[in-house]
Amino acid sequence: DAGVIQSPRHEVTEMGQEVTLRCKPISGHDYLFWYRQTMMRGLELLIYFNNNVPIDDSGMPEDRFSAKMPNASFSTLKIQPSEPRDSAVYFCASSQTGYGYTFGSGTRLTVV
Amino acid sequence: QKEVEQDPGPLSVPEGAIVSLNCTYSNSAFQYFMWYRQYSRKGPELLMYTYSSGNKEDGRFTAQVDKSSKYISLFIRDSQPSDSATYLCATRSTSGNTGKLIFGQGTTLQVKP
Repeated sequence: DAGVIQSPRHEVTEMGQEVTLRCKPISGHDYLFWYRQTMMRGLELLIYFNNNVPIDDSGMPEDRFSAKMPNASFSTLKIQPSEPRDSAVYFCASSQTGYGYTFGSGTRLTVV
Repeated sequence: QKEVEQDPGPLSVPEGAIVSLNCTYSNSAFQYFMWYRQYSRKGPELLMYTYSSGNKEDGRFTAQVDKSSKYISLFIRDSQPSDSATYLCATRSTSGNTGKLIFGQGTTLQVKP
């Protein structure tokens, strides 16, 4: 089992550019979560899916953020346009039971 | 007020010390409680989970939940330099958004050889 796979590991982009983060959950897991981690705010839930359907997107900061899960093995988080305050580590996690998450290694995003 | 409060530390202890990490939560509906460990530049990994009140032991680690005071603790016995990491408590309720975990801020622990 390769675990939760995120790409890219690092992303540096200029303000105003579109950023797409990718996630491959563990096969068989029916929940997928996107989190953002910063020193100031800690780990924040952005959105989560159950069986590919978005369940709670109340943590998405604003309309610049969008997430999709077209199938059980792939999800994207898109920021358009990106801003410096979006700089953070973005984690994807998946779960089969709903309470034992497995996290990916994260994408470190820097917007300059 | 945050739903889960955790002292961010940092906490520095000598090797072999007993470490106590703590969280408080505000929602009495929370029933599942977890501890995650996060090494630098890595994702959090599940360390322990408990349901409702009581203690759970796993090797050098003991998780304790006191629902009457809404208090969660993680004890590490005979701490090792390899235990140096950030420890995050997390919780969720049994109803509503059952998939959604609420995390504490995380406590950074350093165990000095």
